Amino acid sequence: AQSVAQPEDQVNVAEGNPLTVKCTYSVSGNPYLFWYVQYPNRGLQFLLKYITGDNLVKGSYGFEAEFNKSQTSFHLKKPSALVSDSALYFCAVRDGNAGNMLTFGGGTRLMVKP
Amino acid sequence: NAGVTQTPKFRVLKTGQSMTLLCAQDMNHEYMYWYRQDPGMGLRLIHYSVGEGTTAKGEVPDGYNVSRLKKQNFLLGLESAAPSQTSVYFCASSYSAGPITDTQYFGPGTRLTVL
Repeated sequence: AQSVAQPEDQVNVAEGNPLTVKCTYSVSGNPYLFWYVQYPNRGLQFLLKYITGDNLVKGSYGFEAEFNKSQTSFHLKKPSALVSDSALYFCAVRDGNAGNMLTFGGGTRLMVKP
Repeated sequence: NAGVTQTPKFRVLKTGQSMTLLCAQDMNHEYMYWYRQDPGMGLRLIHYSVGEGTTAKGEVPDGYNVSRLKKQNFLLGLESAAPSQTSVYFCASSYSAGPITDTQYFGPGTRLTVL
């Protein structure tokens, strides 16, 4: 079975500071990892994904994520946070050897204060 | 392109009533999905479809039925609504299941309240 954990319900950061939103996963096969963002009253928007290759993945809006196989983590990062980055962030995993079902984490609310 | 659209945006039902949620996509995607979102639980897969005329159960299928009569549409039905089905429902679609083309694109959601 595959699973995802987002250990922080909320992350607070000041505008201009770097941000990290944590995600750890568990799969039996090769992990395909995703980050999505949800703004209030909106659907989820795709940010980035890891399939294979370079452990640092760059995505939309200046976000990037680092895949760490030994720690089974896929943390989302941004060097300089914006107030407009405030939203709900979801990590998701798919087992590359087991169909197309995504498993989502519970979400982390990012609050960026001016 | 409209992407993925959902109808209706909001709905209030009484226990025991039935309704159908409509999802439409104009991206010629083969795969379509229905999720429900509950606070602190992320998104959970209800049912999905890998092509026109096919459906399959996801993680939480009980109390729901689906149909995919046309490639661009995926319907989610509640035959006898229960308060436990109060949730926000999201539809998504993807081109295929391959690693390059499996990114799912989401609709804006339907907020359903069952009294």
